[in-house]
Amino acid sequence: AQKITQTQPGMFVQEKEAVTLDCTYDTSDPSYGLFWYKQPSSGEMIFLIYQGSYDQQNATEGRYSLNFQKARKSANLVISASQLGDSAMYFCAMREGRGNQGGKLIFGQGTELSVKP
Amino acid sequence: GAVVSQHPSWVICKSGTSVKIECRSLDFQATTMFWYRQFPKQSLMLMATSNEGSKATYEQGVEKDKFLINHASLTLSTLTVTSAHPEDSSFYICSASPGQAGNGNQPQHFGDGTRLSIL
Repeated sequence: AQKITQTQPGMFVQEKEAVTLDCTYDTSDPSYGLFWYKQPSSGEMIFLIYQGSYDQQNATEGRYSLNFQKARKSANLVISASQLGDSAMYFCAMREGRGNQGGKLIFGQGTELSVKP
Repeated sequence: GAVVSQHPSWVICKSGTSVKIECRSLDFQATTMFWYRQFPKQSLMLMATSNEGSKATYEQGVEKDKFLINHASLTLSTLTVTSAHPEDSSFYICSASPGQAGNGNQPQHFGDGTRLSIL
């Protein structure tokens, strides 16, 4: 069963506008972490933001914020004031459990974001 | 911040040869590193967990004898694609995290990846 689901293969957004990238997850583990990464065409994976399952508040990092709805098992990424440099693939990932084996990430299918000038 | 270096960035080689890819944590020690494979326009698929001083843990469907992993020190893990064939052509990327991997909000830090092309 798919543990991380990103239902938007591609998204377009106008420069300076906000955009929401969807991510839903499935786990029975009460302890988990959710991550968003950006992957430009060059291939490197850039960490954007983290949300822990026990965090009471939604995570924010600059223009990035995470809309965490635990009951719905969703962790959507919101990018405010989009910039041309935001054009990239975006991956949602989940880490389950604890310990070294818990460090591995399971990735969603990704969303390709294109920012229009 | 935590830096992971991966080498080489590009490899083009003939079918049947073996290719070694290195993943180094430059400013931290990593008892665990992870190897992923990514096809164009697709997601990252975890291949194996590399454990310092012990055998790697492979994901279901990944051939252990095909993808040899060695984690001989706290800063270096290597992935060797043995007897490579065109179907092994892909983007391989490693990751590591300071401290115990599963704790807290430590993100996995990724190398820049290796594009492997087998002719």
